[in-house]
Amino acid sequence: DAGITQSPRHKVTETGTPVTLRCHQTENHRYMYWYRQDPGHGLRLIHYSYGVKDTDKGEVSDGYSVSRSKTEDFLLTLESATSSQTSVYFCAISERGSGTNEKLFFGSGTQLSVL
Amino acid sequence: DQQVKQNSPSLSVQEGRISILNCDYTNSMFDYFLWYKKYPAEGPTFLISISSIKDKNEDGRFTVFLNKSAKHLSLHIVPSQPGDSAVYFCAARKLDNFNKFYFGSGTKLNVKP
Repeated sequence: DAGITQSPRHKVTETGTPVTLRCHQTENHRYMYWYRQDPGHGLRLIHYSYGVKDTDKGEVSDGYSVSRSKTEDFLLTLESATSSQTSVYFCAISERGSGTNEKLFFGSGTQLSVL
Repeated sequence: DQQVKQNSPSLSVQEGRISILNCDYTNSMFDYFLWYKKYPAEGPTFLISISSIKDKNEDGRFTVFLNKSAKHLSLHIVPSQPGDSAVYFCAARKLDNFNKFYFGSGTKLNVKP
């Protein structure tokens, strides 16, 4: 199993509060991603990182920010949580980011509930 | 607008029989396809992949078929086992676009003993 740890595993928060989710990897992979999983939508990319301090937006980035100060850590922040951000959040990593055999390795997920 | 679609939310199969999970895509620029398997409370795990230069890839009980003209791929599981019960996601990407894996909405497979 890829060494990916997400914390917390479960979080309940109130609307309007800031929330930070953490992803920690021990694989020294360059690329890291945040996805959210919602019924009927599958997995959708929020933000990704292609190196320390190098990040970019995915398809559902509104309301989220990210930071990557070290290779092993990728943080996802909800500045002011809304009920529409209730979801399961997955961190993923990949080694090279491109190439025939490239694939994503996922963490176990964080269940976030915004009340 | 979903570029990868799994139109069957669920599938139920008897143990020992074949499971066929389907996936359609709309972007003709996709040239690499993957299947992931997900158990409850766990992250998705990679199952099998295929590049567009092939029309079939096999790994043990799992075979993925790609029909580029129809923009369709399928995952065959033979024989199906109860431990295969999970949600299966198909995903697609363009080889030169590392950040974009597009996922379908998933098909929940139930293999009955």
